Amino acid sequence: DGGITQSPKYLFRKEGQNVTLSCEQNLNHDAMYWYRQDPGQGLRLIYYSQIVNDFQKGDIAEGYSVSREKKESFPLTVTSAQKNPTAFYLCASKASGSSYNEQFFGPGTRLTVL
Amino acid sequence: AQTVTQSQPEMSVQEAETVTLSCTYDTSESDYYLFWYKQPPSRQMILVIRQEAYKQQNATENRFSVNFQKAAKSFSLKISDSQLGDAAMYFCAFSDSGYALNFGKGTSLLVTP
Repeated sequence: DGGITQSPKYLFRKEGQNVTLSCEQNLNHDAMYWYRQDPGQGLRLIYYSQIVNDFQKGDIAEGYSVSREKKESFPLTVTSAQKNPTAFYLCASKASGSSYNEQFFGPGTRLTVL
Repeated sequence: AQTVTQSQPEMSVQEAETVTLSCTYDTSESDYYLFWYKQPPSRQMILVIRQEAYKQQNATENRFSVNFQKAAKSFSLKISDSQLGDAAMYFCAFSDSGYALNFGKGTSLLVTP
């Protein structure tokens, strides 16, 4: 089955630690995205990548980093510079040239800072 | 910058009844896409319905339909014959020909028996 997987489902981090959230897709989509969801805030864009080896900052990129070495994978690192990292993180992908500009979402990762 | 506003933080509907969720957006673009996503308690984002701005006809997907008013920049979602499984957060989202979706803050829909 084609889809997007995110791991882990739950992640706990101590203050000062970096953690990496995994996102993998087998939909052969070119574009991938990371969103952060906080209660009452909707989804906000962290980073996006439209092609391998290229990525762009979104609205709230500070304290986060990404890489796009393979088309299928777009991991997100939450660094110690992120002041309030506790949130729900969603990865999405989109086919280039999609007539609907539709994004497909993974199941999410819940990150909690202890 | 584009903004999406959902003015109803919470809505309630009885089973089998109809409910309408509101969404307004702001853009200077003429060509864009609008979406309604559903997020149930599992937190998986599920696309409910989509609308291309250049299409005058309102989109319909089974019990879900939209009222798209381009001049008023309004995009409401109507759920007919509401079911218990419709209970979820509903997000309105906007995308122009660019890179990402802009989301509203969501409306929590409660369905009562």
